Amino acid sequence: DVKVTQSSRYLVKRTGEKVFLECVQDMDHENMFWYRQDPGLGLRLIYFSYDVKMKEKGDIPEGYSVSREKKERFSLILESASTNQTSMYLCASSRDSPLEQPQHFGDGTRLSIL
Amino acid sequence: SQKIEQNSEALNIQEGKTATLTCNYTNYSPAYLQWYRQDPGRGPVFLLLIRENEKEKRKERLKVTFDTTLKQSLFHITASQPADSATYLCALGGSQGNLIFGKGTKLSVKP
Repeated sequence: DVKVTQSSRYLVKRTGEKVFLECVQDMDHENMFWYRQDPGLGLRLIYFSYDVKMKEKGDIPEGYSVSREKKERFSLILESASTNQTSMYLCASSRDSPLEQPQHFGDGTRLSIL
Repeated sequence: SQKIEQNSEALNIQEGKTATLTCNYTNYSPAYLQWYRQDPGRGPVFLLLIRENEKEKRKERLKVTFDTTLKQSLFHITASQPADSATYLCALGGSQGNLIFGKGTKLSVKP
């Protein structure tokens, strides 16, 4: 079974801090994704990556950046955390072919910015 | 811009009945559509995929239909059980392998 592991289940940080969320997958998947999930808004895509050192903006990239130095690891960075970035963050991975491959999700990091 | 709607935020049904969840979309022509299940505090789990040239797919007690003319997918759970209680998400397939998710329908199956 594919396993997607997010480094923390719960995280509390302060406004203005630089925050790193880490995600590791163990199935050699090419694609990796970062979402945030908020009540009433559903899952929204922040960034995704199709290969090492590649990244693409999703629907809501503002205030975030990502890093993919190794195929199995995809990091989400909040450059200067703000209270409106309090949310559940979900990482996912998938094969790149065929196109309709399902995404495999981690169990999320619930991030609170105080 | 593309829009995806799941017909209701919550659906309550009695055990043994068939649950039917609806996913409608506009301004988009997805090549495929996926359905996921999400339990509280967990990430979504993939259930079914249906492609634009397929009308219906089945997996055990699950059935999904895809009508590209109506721009609608229906997700059915037959002989529902309390263990089927969860939030169900539909997702449209993007051109780059990304997904556009609906907000989900929370299903509660009462014994």
